[in-house]
Amino acid sequence: GNSVTQMEGPVTLSEEAFLTINCTYTATGYPSLFWYVQYPGEGLQLLLKATKADDKGSNKGFEATYRKETTSFHLEKGSVQVSDSAVYFCALREGAQKLVFGQGTRLTINP
Amino acid sequence: NAGVTQTPKFQVLKTGQSMTLQCAQDMNHNSMYWYRQDPGMGLRLIYYSASEGTTDKGEVPNGYNVSRLNKREFSLRLESAAPSQTSVYFCASSGAKNIQYFGAGTRLSVL
Repeated sequence: GNSVTQMEGPVTLSEEAFLTINCTYTATGYPSLFWYVQYPGEGLQLLLKATKADDKGSNKGFEATYRKETTSFHLEKGSVQVSDSAVYFCALREGAQKLVFGQGTRLTINP
Repeated sequence: NAGVTQTPKFQVLKTGQSMTLQCAQDMNHNSMYWYRQDPGMGLRLIYYSASEGTTDKGEVPNGYNVSRLNKREFSLRLESAAPSQTSVYFCASSGAKNIQYFGAGTRLSVL
């Protein structure tokens, strides 16, 4: 079946560092891809998405590009802030509705 | 602007007890979902409801039942709780754009 694999966490960075969180997927066809973020004590929020190959999703300084050739959707940010500390989930949508999530990556940004 | 509301936020049960987790959305979404979140495993789909009056099993339905009471409400029932059901439970809903919106979660401990 379809699956999503994220880099193992936790990830700890200093403020203003460059962030990459790797995500690769296995799927039949060309699913839509998502990054969700979960702040402490809250539910998941959609961060960005891409629906076809070479699409770039972006939001709040975060970016991810749908790479069909490498089946990847890595999350990047050029300069992280303490407020970016959260758990990040990569996901794909199979069929019309169901999401398949990666295991999540906990990010901590130190001032 | 409540979005997806889950109750209760926390619950402790003894093995064998039953309980119902409640979920309501005010976005007029057709589809609703129940997930469980366990450390290192991301979110896994328990049940979903594509529209009022329909429900379908997800990846991990054993030990759970659901009811789509009306368009707004989708409840999850544990008939006889087991320690393996200790988890954080999230409800989500989605509309025509197929973006899922999540509640804040219910943290359940089964002793």
